[in-house]
Amino acid sequence: EDQVTQSPEALRLQEGESSSLNCSYTVSGLRGLFWYRQDPGKGPEFLFTLYSAGEEKEKERLKATLTKKESFLHITAPKPEDSATYLCAVQAGTGNQFYFGTGTSLTVIP
Amino acid sequence: DTGVSQDPRHKITKRGQNVTFRCDPISEHNRLYWYRQTLGQGPEFLTYFQNEAQLEKSRLLSDRFSAERPKGSFSTLEIQRTEQGDSAMYLCASSEIPTGETQYFGPGTRLLVL
Repeated sequence: EDQVTQSPEALRLQEGESSSLNCSYTVSGLRGLFWYRQDPGKGPEFLFTLYSAGEEKEKERLKATLTKKESFLHITAPKPEDSATYLCAVQAGTGNQFYFGTGTSLTVIP
Repeated sequence: DTGVSQDPRHKITKRGQNVTFRCDPISEHNRLYWYRQTLGQGPEFLTYFQNEAQLEKSRLLSDRFSAERPKGSFSTLEIQRTEQGDSAMYLCASSEIPTGETQYFGPGTRLLVL
């Protein structure tokens, strides 16, 4: 069965303290891996799409990387406004649905 | 383009009542998806449309749930005889083929069944 696991479940960082979030997956025929940010009570906001191992995408303080079994979301010098839940999703095989992990809740303390 | 919109944003209903939610996708997007999200969990797939055709349905979508996209534009999700377990955030997303698989989400409809 296709699975997506995110770790840690929750992460507290001091402002400026860089860290990484992990998304590991076991799927057949990965077609894409997607990162979203979700604020409380709102819908997920698209961040990155990664299609193949070795690919990297960057946006402001965030950088996403992909290997054959996992993806990392690196956060460099985070600010309090980066506090949110970060969701990882995969699309695999012939289906079009996304399989989501349960997310990492990030809190950045001033 | 204003993105994906959903209406209403919040709905409180009593057990046993029927509810209907609407989703308006990004205008040129031909795929539309419905997901359900409960507290502390990631979104779970319910169903998706390509234009007006409903192509996939999750086993989560019991016979009390029905979705339509009559003209390939907006979509509705109806829940009949609501149960307390239906309380969740209902999310709509859209994507454009063939240019990409990325799904863009709306703000969601939060349903509370009393």
